[in-house]
Amino acid sequence: DTEVTQTPKHLVMGMTNKKSLKCEQHMGHRAMYWYKQKAKKPPELMFVYSYEKLSINESVPSRFSPECPNSSLLNLHLHALQPEDSALYLCASSPVLAGSTGELFFGEGSRLTVL
Amino acid sequence: GQNIDQPTEMTATEGAIVQINCTYQTSGFNGLFWYQQHAGEAPTFLSYNVLDGLEEKGRFSSFLSRSKGYSYLLLKELQMKDSASYLCAVRRTGGFKTIFGAGTRLFVKA
Repeated sequence: DTEVTQTPKHLVMGMTNKKSLKCEQHMGHRAMYWYKQKAKKPPELMFVYSYEKLSINESVPSRFSPECPNSSLLNLHLHALQPEDSALYLCASSPVLAGSTGELFFGEGSRLTVL
Repeated sequence: GQNIDQPTEMTATEGAIVQINCTYQTSGFNGLFWYQQHAGEAPTFLSYNVLDGLEEKGRFSSFLSRSKGYSYLLLKELQMKDSASYLCAVRRTGGFKTIFGAGTRLFVKA
């Protein structure tokens, strides 16, 4: 299994809603990532988890709350978002073994629209 | 800080060769990646360089010069399906921070 699975594929939410994005991988990767991508822009790093611990937070607003319940799952909890948060949210994972390239395996993304 | 520069757009002809350049400035270099991203899809890994030199993988090759902070992706025998964005990404030492350049949109014409 070489897939990173993200759900939902599309999400529309109001500014007062609470929702979550989910990501799952079964490749045994111990690093997992959230990236945000706006149209015609590159992916921007938001969070990195390494061995289920948050290792990087790129000064992301607290209305985005990541969670890594176990080595296969990564969630992004959303609360009180703004319309400018509308974007494609990409989850990725990578191996951390010595000798591996550490390439990122991306999911298909969750396209979020905040009304 | 970190800075990655790539051309915004390039156009090439089917069957030709195209070279996409990337220059970077970073503290703590730990590898350079190239990813391909078709419109509306997720990025997919193409190549990785951490030492100077050329890495070849089928129709795709990638070159790195660490002293110059320079890489290129070479695509041979271009096909229409190669029309996509090509993202140069740099990983920093000490963690898992991989930062992407703005990407180069490649248009392959018949």
